[in-house]
Amino acid sequence: DAKTTQPTSMDCAEGRAANLPCNHSTISGNEYVYWYRQIHSQGPQYIIHGLKNNETNEMASLIITEDRKSSTLILPHATLRDTAVYYCIVKVQGGSQGNLIFGKGTKLSVKP
Amino acid sequence: DAGVTQSPTHLIKTRGQQVTLRCSPKSGHDTVSWYQQALGQGPQFIFQYYEEEERQRGNFPDRFSGHQFPNYSSELNVNALLLGDSALYLCASSSTGLAGGGARNIQYFGAGTRLSVL
Repeated sequence: DAKTTQPTSMDCAEGRAANLPCNHSTISGNEYVYWYRQIHSQGPQYIIHGLKNNETNEMASLIITEDRKSSTLILPHATLRDTAVYYCIVKVQGGSQGNLIFGKGTKLSVKP
Repeated sequence: DAGVTQSPTHLIKTRGQQVTLRCSPKSGHDTVSWYQQALGQGPQFIFQYYEEEERQRGNFPDRFSGHQFPNYSSELNVNALLLGDSALYLCASSSTGLAGGGARNIQYFGAGTRLSVL
């Protein structure tokens, strides 16, 4: 079973920030938080990952609480093309622990 | 730089048949993982190949087998197909060799092969 809990769905207005929460209260000290998204009928797309510090890249920002029990993915200016299912995954970063355990994710709908 | 490529994109088979799906990893990647995604569900891990050997396996029967070639490309074979094997099959590649804790082991996915079993 997935180690994360996410809302089933969320709506966001185009041009506004989308904030997607994720609860991972049982995360271990050596587990990273990864975010992927899957646009309809395509393969999952890597977005960002982090261990304990906040991270930012060209796609999004990842805010991890100090106790690491939850995190928020922020899409600063959502567009219609950001409509997708967003998956939050916790995983040890090691080659021998290779698999990603996907839950049901959050279906984000960006509306005009 | 080509990303992860999978072939074919779509496939239709009948029950009892065998199928082979193919995956070419992203340039510079040495590890390939396979996932099955049923309609409306998240991807489920099948197995991972590294150095031409199966390194880790999910909860899938022996009908699912794989192979990795010296050029790091990989095949997924499914024997005795069942109706329930109808799904999107995803390949992901990653690298164990990148320095630092950043990009190492990030899995990048292909577009998948849509398998329909009739």
